[in-house]
Amino acid sequence: DAGVTQSPTHLIKTRGQQVTLRCSPISGHKSVSWYQQVLGQGPQFIFQYYEKEERGRGNFPDRFSARQFPNYSSELNVNALLLGDSALYLCASSPIEQGSNQPQHFGDGTRLSIL
Amino acid sequence: RKEVEQDPGPFNVPEGATVAFNCTYSNSASQSFFWYRQDCRKEPKLLMSVYSSGNEDGRFTAQLNRASQYISLLIRDSKLSDSATYLCVVIHSSASKIIFGSGTRLSIRP
Repeated sequence: DAGVTQSPTHLIKTRGQQVTLRCSPISGHKSVSWYQQVLGQGPQFIFQYYEKEERGRGNFPDRFSARQFPNYSSELNVNALLLGDSALYLCASSPIEQGSNQPQHFGDGTRLSIL
Repeated sequence: RKEVEQDPGPFNVPEGATVAFNCTYSNSASQSFFWYRQDCRKEPKLLMSVYSSGNEDGRFTAQLNRASQYISLLIRDSKLSDSATYLCVVIHSSASKIIFGSGTRLSIRP
């Protein structure tokens, strides 16, 4: 079975542009979470989606948005990119909504560089 | 104060040594706890869940101390392949916050 897949693997954008990152969860997983990880730090929670609804949000500005589709795949959108948005963006899936002892499984991430 | 705190390290220990990490959390409503391992430029991978009763998986032992609000990871007989960053994860009971620690870097030397 395929794990969590993310695309693209690498992306270079300039300040002010917009970006869309994509994630396909493990088959059968209904929950998808997005994280931002900058070098030397742990992943920072951005969003969690479960059954196509937003179930959790971290401390990120409104420039960050996401959605989940009927097939449980998800997109993360970032508008008006800033240099500080350069990071590894990780997607994780789990069978059910977080809150139980159900771990998440991560994709390889999208490495976003802002010039 | 951060909600989840870890000693960033680096811990540099010889092969075969026993090493322990702690991770403290500030929200007593935290419900679920995990340890993840992350290799350089790779995604985090689940190492083990953490239960109040403690749990062991081979050379790895994880413990949760709710009274003092910390979780720990003990690695016995460390191997070169254990070199990585170890991240603790704390999930609040509301299920709306998933918090990673900043990670502890471990380097095992021959």
